[in-house]
Amino acid sequence: GAVVSQHPSRVICKSGTSVKIECRSLDFQATTMFWYRQFPKQSLMLMATSNEGSKATYEQGVEKDKFLINHASLTLSTLTVTSAHPEDSSFYICSADRATNEKLFFGSGTQLSVL
Amino acid sequence: GENVEQHPSTLSVQEGDSAVIKCTYSDSASNYFPWYKQELGKGPQLIIDIRSNVGEKKDQRIAVTLNKTAKHFSLHITETQPEDSAVYFCAASEGGGTSYGKLTFGQGTILTVHP
Repeated sequence: GAVVSQHPSRVICKSGTSVKIECRSLDFQATTMFWYRQFPKQSLMLMATSNEGSKATYEQGVEKDKFLINHASLTLSTLTVTSAHPEDSSFYICSADRATNEKLFFGSGTQLSVL
Repeated sequence: GENVEQHPSTLSVQEGDSAVIKCTYSDSASNYFPWYKQELGKGPQLIIDIRSNVGEKKDQRIAVTLNKTAKHFSLHITETQPEDSAVYFCAASEGGGTSYGKLTFGQGTILTVHP
């Protein structure tokens, strides 16, 4: 299957700092990537849709100024959690839409812990 | 918006038995239904998907059935093995263009296969 790489896999930071998470499609171009969040023992919730060359679209209730998304190329999208707080601690997972066969593949996820 | 209900929340079977997980959805516009397997601390792995123009799809030990009239779809795993133990998620989206990635997930099923 297609490969979506996510980095870092785990990050621990102090409250008030910003954290950047990278999502790369390794063997295909992705004009659209998606960012999900998953709290412990819960399901995945869509946060935002990342569009190459344009602004991201955010789901209702997701603060766009807190979760900055940049999709500067066809293979890279980044999510920056700004001024992180303990309640932002979660598992963040990106996914990429392989438009050639319309399947969605997920990265390995980033566990963010804010102290 | 879409609402996906998944049952059971936990499922325990003996190695070699079959496992069935069921999902229902609410939005008749949904036409793409993937199933994901997630192991602890990892991102979801696509195991099979089905589109609304198909009633059943099979891939070796895994099969998915879709009843669009009743708005439900099911995952069937035959000859289960201990390595099938994981959390399984169903999902639904409208499909088409970038909408494939805007998935609404079920609550997840913890499958345990006992040797």
